[in-house]
Amino acid sequence: GQQVMQIPQYQHVQEGEDFTTYCNSSTTLSNIQWYKQRPGGHPVFLIQLVKSGEVKKQKRLTFQFGEAKKNSSLHITATQTTDVGTYFCAGPSGAGSYQLTFGKGTKLSVIP
Amino acid sequence: DSGVTQTPKHLITATGQRVTLRCSPRSGDLSVYWYQQSLDQGLQFLIQYYNGEERAKGNILERFSAQQFPDLHSELNLSSLELGDSALYFCASSAGLANYEQYFGPGTRLTVT
Repeated sequence: GQQVMQIPQYQHVQEGEDFTTYCNSSTTLSNIQWYKQRPGGHPVFLIQLVKSGEVKKQKRLTFQFGEAKKNSSLHITATQTTDVGTYFCAGPSGAGSYQLTFGKGTKLSVIP
Repeated sequence: DSGVTQTPKHLITATGQRVTLRCSPRSGDLSVYWYQQSLDQGLQFLIQYYNGEERAKGNILERFSAQQFPDLHSELNLSSLELGDSALYFCASSAGLANYEQYFGPGTRLTVT
């Protein structure tokens, strides 16, 4: 079945440093979604990318969808303690699939 | 607040027992999804309902079942519980059938002793 891999699994950064997490799919995706889960919280939808090569920004967060629509990245500029949490990418489990396959996530710790 | 509600927040029960988790989707959302999240694990998709009908099934055990009622709330039934079933169970809802963002509830933490 389709697999979604995320790296790194953990990332510790000093406050103010940049952070990037990468997501790779074994198959071409029609779209990719990103979620953030704060410690003790529930996943919260951040964004959906649909087009090949698409880049979207939300303040300090930059999301990219690869040209081949098999990979994606999330980059945070100048991390803050409020960025702490686990970032998940998710893509449809197959062509026409109704379900999402989530990556295992990247857990971000920010050292003040 | 996502608008998705789940009850109970916490549940502690013994092995072999049966429990029911409840979820109310956001107003207007027709799709309900159930996920299991174990310690340091990602989100494992269990099952999806759309407007009362089962539409997708993931790695859901035969001991688990779910349904969505006419008022669109959903219940996840877990029976013959084992220690390994201890996990966070999230419900999510979305407006449509596929490719829509999902809104997650606060989750039910199940502990099987």
